[in-house]
Amino acid sequence: QKEVEQNSGPLSVPEGAIASLNCTYSDRGSQSFFWYRQYSGKSPELIMFIYSNGDKEDGRFTAQLNKASQYVSLLIRDSQPSDSATYLCAVLPSGGSYIPTFGRGTSLIVHP
Amino acid sequence: KAGVTQTPRYLIKTRGQQVTLSCSPISGHRSVSWYQQTPGQGLQFLFEYFSETQRNKGNFPGRFSGRQFSNSRSEMNVSTLELGDSALYLCASSPERNQPQHFGDGTRLSIL
Repeated sequence: QKEVEQNSGPLSVPEGAIASLNCTYSDRGSQSFFWYRQYSGKSPELIMFIYSNGDKEDGRFTAQLNKASQYVSLLIRDSQPSDSATYLCAVLPSGGSYIPTFGRGTSLIVHP
Repeated sequence: KAGVTQTPRYLIKTRGQQVTLSCSPISGHRSVSWYQQTPGQGLQFLFEYFSETQRNKGNFPGRFSGRQFSNSRSEMNVSTLELGDSALYLCASSPERNQPQHFGDGTRLSIL
């Protein structure tokens, strides 16, 4: 059973701070990693994807991948109350399956 | 570019009835997947379709079925509805099978 683990939170950060969300995965051969944001009552929205070790930046968001340690992180700089949501990590497993395994998500609360 | 369109947005049914949900993927996207999301179980994979063929099926009973048409649109059917089928049903599409998925707004199904 290939697993993706996330701390359910809630992670509470003050406005303007850096929010750090972490995700670990069990399938060492995984090659593709995705972060989704899901507001309460809404559907998941793709915000970042990363395939290579290192960092990938997009605006206030940075995805970090460390395949040796089998974790992927999402950093949100200058956090805003509008960033308050659940963040889902998804990992595409190895072995030819095209079905991403989703974590249960981390709830982020950004307070003014 | 229009996003993934799911209809209907809300549905109320009674036990024993059947329901058909529809999904129109983003133009040019050939892969369509369906998920069930509940507060207790998170995102659960139902089906994946590509080129009108079901490529993968999740661990759901045979009451859950689906299909994909030549224009990549997809439908999902649930027969003999049970109370436990109450959930948000999400459709996601991607250009190819190994690329990031984009979700529709979902169909919220309530069983009375």
